[in-house]
Amino acid sequence: DTGVSQNPRHKITKRGQNVTFRCDPISEHNRLYWYRQTLGQGPEFLTYFQNEAQLEKSRLLSDRFSAERPKGSFSTLEIQRTEQGDSAMYLCASSTEREVSEQYFGPGTRLTVT
Amino acid sequence: QQPVQSPQAVILREGEDAVINCSSSKALYSVHWYRQKHGEAPVFLMILLKGGEQKGHDKISASFNEKKQQSSLYLTASQLSYSGTYFCGTEWEGAQKLVFGQGTRLTINP
Repeated sequence: DTGVSQNPRHKITKRGQNVTFRCDPISEHNRLYWYRQTLGQGPEFLTYFQNEAQLEKSRLLSDRFSAERPKGSFSTLEIQRTEQGDSAMYLCASSTEREVSEQYFGPGTRLTVT
Repeated sequence: QQPVQSPQAVILREGEDAVINCSSSKALYSVHWYRQKHGEAPVFLMILLKGGEQKGHDKISASFNEKKQQSSLYLTASQLSYSGTYFCGTEWEGAQKLVFGQGTRLTINP
């Protein structure tokens, strides 16, 4: 078990470009979460999957954000037409399907939009 | 509704104790505690379920007061390695997502 992995670790992009991040959860974990964290704040929920089904998406999430988990394993988060306000750390976490289950976080992808 | 953590920051000498509180205005199902060091991912510490249980390992423990909808994290005889920002993540019944507080920055000086 190698833990949750995320790629890339850092991404610098120009405003208006599209970016895609990947998350590989712990292998036996059915649930996968995406969070966004800005400096000095706690992680903010974006969306989560159980297997390949996207069960909830934050109302704060713009239509420019989309996430997929096509085979119930890895997940991708795409941001279209990036804005400077999208600059943040994007964290992925995974957990089991138990009613109450701890979430294990990956190292995150730091996005900088110039 | 984001839970409120207090204090926002605390500075201790090695060996001193600290208490971090996490309060919610909404009825909680569980509270998850994490520690995050600068530039790293949050690391899971423990979960508490409604029912007022108390948990702990090593010199870190936590309680959940269902009447007050508050959880407290206790760090006793603090070590340098305890430095970091502590977050509580709250979960409401039926919701699978966590809503995190704004964090408490803990600095331990030798």
